[in-house]
Amino acid sequence: QVQLQESGPGLVRPSETLSLTCGVSGISITGGSYWGWIRQPPGKGLEWIATVYHSGGTYYNPSLRSRITISVDTSKSQFSLKLTSMTAADTAVYYCAKTPDTSIFLFDLWGQGTMVTVSS
Amino acid sequence: QSALTQPRSVSGSPGQSVTISCTGTSSDVGRDDYVSWYQQHPGKAPKLLIYDVSERPSGVPDRFSGSKSGNTASLTISGLQPDDEADYYCCSHAGAYTLIFDGGTKVTVL
Repeated sequence: QVQLQESGPGLVRPSETLSLTCGVSGISITGGSYWGWIRQPPGKGLEWIATVYHSGGTYYNPSLRSRITISVDTSKSQFSLKLTSMTAADTAVYYCAKTPDTSIFLFDLWGQGTMVTVSS
Repeated sequence: QSALTQPRSVSGSPGQSVTISCTGTSSDVGRDDYVSWYQQHPGKAPKLLIYDVSERPSGVPDRFSGSKSGNTASLTISGLQPDDEADYYCCSHAGAYTLIFDGGTKVTVL
């Protein structure tokens, strides 16, 4: 079955760059789906971060745009998120997710999430 | 992007119906029909419940239904069951293929 699995450092120092990867299995990353990142601070709601297509289309949350890089590595069947200048406000569970082939506006499968804490 | 607003919590007894509203603006909820709803149980990843305002993915019970009027979308849960106790999030297209979530509503089954 289709599975998404986030991987990342768990702990990031303030001002550093967060790098997360989402491994995709059970489906071709070069198919019709878009791939996205969403985060959730502890006890708070969801925040969409960015969405990417394997051939390069990228869409960013305007409030985070200047700090985000999102990309797809088709050879490894994974996509990645880099978030620069991390602060305590970026502490959250980070989810990767996929869209269906038919729409970029929803996520029909999510990874289990990975907790990222920003602390010195 | 401005935030979508919805009630922080709603509650109901088993078998009852509850409705969660999600209010935005003409720049998001009122823009088009790209509104989706997600259910999240504690410690779990969100699950897609409704997309395109009122469409249900395969496997989602028809007790869950969605609608929209103007700048407000709504999710109705009919025949409330104990397992429906969860957080529910509304998500809308906010222009230029960007998305916005609301703050979430906690549904409590009494």
